[in-house]
This record gives sequence, structure tokens and C-alpha cells, in this order.
Amino acid sequence: QKEVEQDPGPLSVPEGAIVSLNCTYSNSAFQYFMWYRQYSRKGPELLMYTYSSGNKEDGRFTAQVDKSSKYISLFIRDSQPSDSATYLCAMSGDNYGQNFVFGPGTRLSVLP
Amino acid sequence: DGGITQSPKYLFRKEGQNVTLSCEQNLNHDAMYWYRQDPGQGLRLIYYSQIVNDFQKGDIAEGYSVSREKKESFPLTVTSAQKNPTAFYLCASSIRGDQPQHFGDGTRLSIL
Repeated sequence: QKEVEQDPGPLSVPEGAIVSLNCTYSNSAFQYFMWYRQYSRKGPELLMYTYSSGNKEDGRFTAQVDKSSKYISLFIRDSQPSDSATYLCAMSGDNYGQNFVFGPGTRLSVLP
Repeated sequence: DGGITQSPKYLFRKEGQNVTLSCEQNLNHDAMYWYRQDPGQGLRLIYYSQIVNDFQKGDIAEGYSVSREKKESFPLTVTSAQKNPTAFYLCASSIRGDQPQHFGDGTRLSIL
């Protein structure tokens, strides 16, 4: 079993749809959870950052963490064509870089 | 503007040649990282450094070398021992190992 698994995609949705992106993980030591957005030929940019369980909202984006189920989600409301990108989940649990893990990414296309 | 600068954007390597990719950050971050990303693939960790004059191998360090003589700089050398170097290389930094990483815009390396 991989340490972090992510919905493989690709995912295509019509403009205005609600998008749900998900990751599961196996290491219960993870405490910090992140979502990154990566446009083609660019570096990933940090989108959301949460600590431990709970929800965090930022505009059209909501990050949800359920540590008991080892499951995290990113919801995008009113999706726009500009949201078309690859989304990577990431998580970490201690102060050593080796324990910072990225998911493989889900490619999202929002169709006008 | 604070950020991470990677150069060059595109790089071509001849057979048997070593090439060096530059990464500079002005975020005053202690930790720096190098990743490799192949088409349609996730991020694979090559090397990371938690502090100046110290660095650790990641999952795919063979054929690569790094140095960390200054806090701001973490150059990556792709040696002739790396037989399949064609990829997108990403540099990142973070305040410490468990905190969100911030990425540069990458260097695309190809073989001539």
C-alpha cells in the first residue's frame, strides 16, 4: 500500500460544478495537510494548509481533514475554467524532510 | 518579491556531460529540496537539506549531487551517471521540514 493515495483522474466537469478531490493516507503521524495546484509547465503553488482534523475555507475552496479515517478532501465550489490544473495533496508529521509526502496528483479539467 | 528562482528554464545535456541546475531563495527558509517530475507522474524526492552544510539523499539520489554552502542556494548537479535525466526538475523550500514547501517554476532538462 502506498503511503498516500489520490483519486487518479483525470476529472472533467462543467463550469459551475462542485468538485471533490480526495486523498487517503496510512501514516497516523501526519499532522499537517496541504493542497497544491500545479498548472502545466509550472511549479506547484500552495492552495490550502490545515493542521490536524477539521475544515478550513478560503473563498471557493474548502479543505477537510478526517484524521480518524485518514482521509482528506478539497472541495471547489462554482468551478471555473481557470481551475483546470493538477491538484496534489501533501502531508507531513515531523521536522524531517523525509516525512513530507506528496500524493501523485489528480488532473482536473473544467469545461466552459 | 520573496520567492524561489530556478535557472535556466530549459537545459540541454550532451551525452557524458554534467549539468548544474540553479536554485536560489530569498524567503530565509532553512530547508530546501529537489524533486524530479516525469510526464503524468508525481513528485519524487532527489535530495533535501535541513540546514546549511548538511543534506540528505531522497528516494532517487543516484546520479545526482548537491551542495548547500549558503542558506539561499541549493544547486543540483545531474551527472553523466544519471542515464535517464530527461525530466522536469523542481526546487522547493520551507521554514522547517514539516511546514508547507514553496516551489520554483522548474527547469526542464532534455538530452541532445
